[in-house]
Amino acid sequence: EVQLVESGGGLVKPGGSLRLSCATSGFTFSNAWMSWVRQTPGKGLEWVGLIKSRTDGGTTDYAALVKGRFTISKDDSKNTLYLQMNSLKTEDTAVYYCTTLPITIFGVVIIPDYWGQGTLVTVSS
Amino acid sequence: QSALTQPPSASGSPGQSVTISCTGTSSDVGGYNYVSWYQQHPGKAPKLMIYEVDKRPSGVPDRFSGSKSGNTASLTVSGLQAEDEADYYCASDAGSNNFGVFGGGTKLTVL
Repeated sequence: EVQLVESGGGLVKPGGSLRLSCATSGFTFSNAWMSWVRQTPGKGLEWVGLIKSRTDGGTTDYAALVKGRFTISKDDSKNTLYLQMNSLKTEDTAVYYCTTLPITIFGVVIIPDYWGQGTLVTVSS
Repeated sequence: QSALTQPPSASGSPGQSVTISCTGTSSDVGGYNYVSWYQQHPGKAPKLMIYEVDKRPSGVPDRFSGSKSGNTASLTVSGLQAEDEADYYCASDAGSNNFGVFGGGTKLTVL
């Protein structure tokens, strides 16, 4: 059974930093492409970014709103995904989910399949 | 890309069927055969209910079905049950190396 468990959320002041973790089990993490998606009441579901598997280059891609401020990484030895968030803004307040991305016979599809339970990040002074 | 268009609300009585639409463009829903649907209860994470337009993951009741015609995908819930009351979101592939597109969500009420 695929399990994704996020941690690290909390209250942080504007301009501050936070690192989220996502512990995974139930699938071969080293072969997986992973993503972070956030959700706010007003804006619905919103991409944060993704990271490819090491065999596919291990590169990252980010949504425009977070590019240059957020960094996604993965530690295959610990089956854990990370999201380093710097220069946080009030508009980054959201529930952050880690997700797997499905692998099909045509390649990886960049929409989520399995989701973690989410962790709340509140950016406020 | 713009968000996929879903009705903000839908409703039905227990035992009835309800269909939720998800309208995109030829650059997403109409151009690719990968649309997913997620169910989200209050305070919970989204749960995958349908993938690849009409496939159900193991454990999802066969009361849930998906389809697509042109630029519009649909989720049908048959034999509505109280526990089906939730928010439902669609998402569509938008091509290789592009982030997929999400719908704005539909609140399903079981009357």
